[in-house]
Amino acid sequence: GEDVEQSLFLSVREGDSSVINCTYTDSSSTYLYWYKQEPGAGLQLLTYIFSNMDMKQDQRLTVLLNKKDKHLSLRIADTQTGDSAIYFCAESIGGTGNQFYFGTGTSLTVIP
Amino acid sequence: DAGVTQSPTHLIKTRGQQVTLRCSPKSGHDTVSWYQQALGQGPQFIFQYYEEEERQRGNFPDRFSGHQFPNYSSELNVNALLLGDSALYLCASSLAVRGHYGYTFGSGTRLTVV
Repeated sequence: GEDVEQSLFLSVREGDSSVINCTYTDSSSTYLYWYKQEPGAGLQLLTYIFSNMDMKQDQRLTVLLNKKDKHLSLRIADTQTGDSAIYFCAESIGGTGNQFYFGTGTSLTVIP
Repeated sequence: DAGVTQSPTHLIKTRGQQVTLRCSPKSGHDTVSWYQQALGQGPQFIFQYYEEEERQRGNFPDRFSGHQFPNYSSELNVNALLLGDSALYLCASSLAVRGHYGYTFGSGTRLTVV
C-alpha cells in the first residue's frame, strides 16, 4: 500500500523554526514532495527530493530524508505568519509523476 | 500565462444527480490528473488522462468517469451522487515527457452533495 502519515497540527512562534514530519510505507518511492495549501487555494509545490538523497536545502526550507526509517521532514527556518497553511507530504512511485500519494496534511499555525 | 483553470469553483447538487467538472490545463501541458480531497484529508488520485485516454486510475468506482479533449482540457463526471462525494476536486496538469516536473494544481471545485 501507499500509506503516508503526518501529525495533524503544529503551532510555532514567529521567528522560530518549524519541523513537519511524515512517514511513508512504500520503499519504491522515487520522489518525495512537500506541498503547501492555503485556505481556498490549490496545492503549491514547495520542494521535492529524490529518494537517493539525504538532504536538500532551498532558502528557508530544508528537507531531510531517512530512507531506512521511511521518514521525511520539512524544516522551515525563521517561520513567518505567511507560512500558516496546511502542509502535505506526498510520494510518487516509479518517477513518472503519474500518481501522487498524499498524507493527511499538517496544519501549521504561526503565532505572532 | 494562465495556470490550471477549473470551473465551476463551487457547486451544490442533490444526492442521485450527476455532475460535470471542467479543467483547462496550463499552457503547454498535455496531461491532466484529477484528485478528490475530502474535508480534513489529503488529495486522493482519481485518474489521469493523456492523449484523450485514461492512462491510470485510482481506487474509485465506475461512477467516476472522465474525458480529455483534443485541446487537452478535461472533464470529470460523477453519476448517482452520494453524500460522501462532497469534496474539493482538484485538477493537475503536466507535460508527459517531463514526468513530475512542472506538475501544477488548480484551485479546485468545491462540490457539496445534499
